[in-house]
Amino acid sequence: QSALTQEASVSGTVGQKVTLSCTGNSNNIGSYAVGWYQQISHGAPKTVMFGNSLPSGIPDRFSGSKSGTTASLTISGLQPEDEADYYCSTWDYSLSAQVFGGGTKLTVL
Amino acid sequence: EVQLVQSGAEVKKPGESLKISCKGSGYSFTSYWIGWVRQMPGKGLEWMGIIYPGDSDTRYSPSFQGQVTISADKSISTAYLQWSSLKASDTAMYYCARSYYYVDCWGQGTLVTVSS
Repeated sequence: QSALTQEASVSGTVGQKVTLSCTGNSNNIGSYAVGWYQQISHGAPKTVMFGNSLPSGIPDRFSGSKSGTTASLTISGLQPEDEADYYCSTWDYSLSAQVFGGGTKLTVL
Repeated sequence: EVQLVQSGAEVKKPGESLKISCKGSGYSFTSYWIGWVRQMPGKGLEWMGIIYPGDSDTRYSPSFQGQVTISADKSISTAYLQWSSLKASDTAMYYCARSYYYVDCWGQGTLVTVSS
C-alpha cells in the first residue's frame, strides 16, 4: 500500500489534454512540494516536474499543480512519446521518509 | 550538466556481500542529499534512504533500516549502497537519485541479481 495514491491507468488520444493525480495527506503533499517522474519501458526514471518547476529539456506541455493534499500533472497536447509510467513523490514528516505513489500507466491511443 | 553515473550490473549468490556505487558530477556533491530507490521486477519505485555527503547525515526508510548501509566518500564524489548478506528478494534495479523532498536527477540504474 503506497503512501500516495495514483490512478492505475489513464489513456488519451494524440493532442488531448490529460491530468494525472497524486493524493496524500497533510503529512506529505499538504506540506511539501511534489516531484513527478516519467519511466518509459522500464528505463531509468526521468524527472518531468518538481514543485512548480519544469526541468531543463522537458517540453512545456507538462505542467504541475497542487490543491490541498492532491497534486496533479497535466500534459497538454499529448504525444505518442508521452506513453509511460508516471510516479509522484514527496517527503512525509510523520514517516521521516520520502514516499512514492504506486504509479500511473499512461497509454496514448 | 548534473550527472549521476552508477556502477555496472551484478550477479551474486545468496549470503554474499555487495557494494554498488554512484558518482556525481556537474554540481557540488557535498551540498545535496543523495539517495537510493529500489524497483523490483514489474513493480513501482521504493525510497530506501538518503545521505548528505557534506556531513554523512543518513536517513533510512523504516522498510530498509538495518537491511542496507548507505555511505559516501566526498573526496571522490561517490555514494554507495551496500549489503552484508544478500537474499534472493534483493533482486531488483537500484537507482541513485539526488533528492530530499523529491528527486531532481537520477542515475541510470544498477541491476542486482541474486540467485543460487
